[in-house]
Amino acid sequence: GESVGLHLPTLSVQEGDNSIINCAYSNSASDYFIWYKQESGKGPQFIIDIRSNMDKRQGQRVTVLLNKTVKHLSLQIAATQPGDSAVYFCAENIGNSGYALNFGKGTSLLVTP
Amino acid sequence: DTEVTQTPKHLVMGMTNKKSLKCEQHMGHRAMYWYKQKAKKPPELMFVYSYEKLSINESVPSRFSPECPNSSLLNLHLHALQPEDSALYLCASRDLTGYEQYFGPGTRLTVT
Repeated sequence: GESVGLHLPTLSVQEGDNSIINCAYSNSASDYFIWYKQESGKGPQFIIDIRSNMDKRQGQRVTVLLNKTVKHLSLQIAATQPGDSAVYFCAENIGNSGYALNFGKGTSLLVTP
Repeated sequence: DTEVTQTPKHLVMGMTNKKSLKCEQHMGHRAMYWYKQKAKKPPELMFVYSYEKLSINESVPSRFSPECPNSSLLNLHLHALQPEDSALYLCASRDLTGYEQYFGPGTRLTVT
């Protein structure tokens, strides 16, 4: 998992603010990226994904941005809510890896009222 | 049904015990995965099954033995584990036409 890393291990935001979680990757053969949310005692839950032929994808309150030039991925959460408090992992699929995901180290997001 | 289920939720076993973890999905996914996750760490891939055949073994010790009896079930047989094997064991499945993996809630394993 060393090729996928996160800039900030913890992030504390106030309820209602926007959150940005960053992720760096080093393998230019990565063709797919995914963000997972993991709450305490639960398995990772899919949030949003993006393929390498895109640079932005939006979901409900979440946006993923991909900058292939600097090998950087970010997850933006709009109007962060207490229920968003969790650990967020980025993961990459490296072409020819047999569809095995390589996970980054994770960022703990804490939303305060 | 978009759920991956895992049993048991919690398991405590001694180093001489034999136990099995079970995973089930009814989404028709033909790829299934076992991951190990230590506290405050990302999931680490252990095994991948594709069409019920083992396709990836990430150099996992032989005290972990996976089995895929059919396209809906995935087992992980445990024998002679060590205390450092204590972790959350996650199962995931994937539709082979896509990349997204769906995770189960995990089994919290404690080896004493």
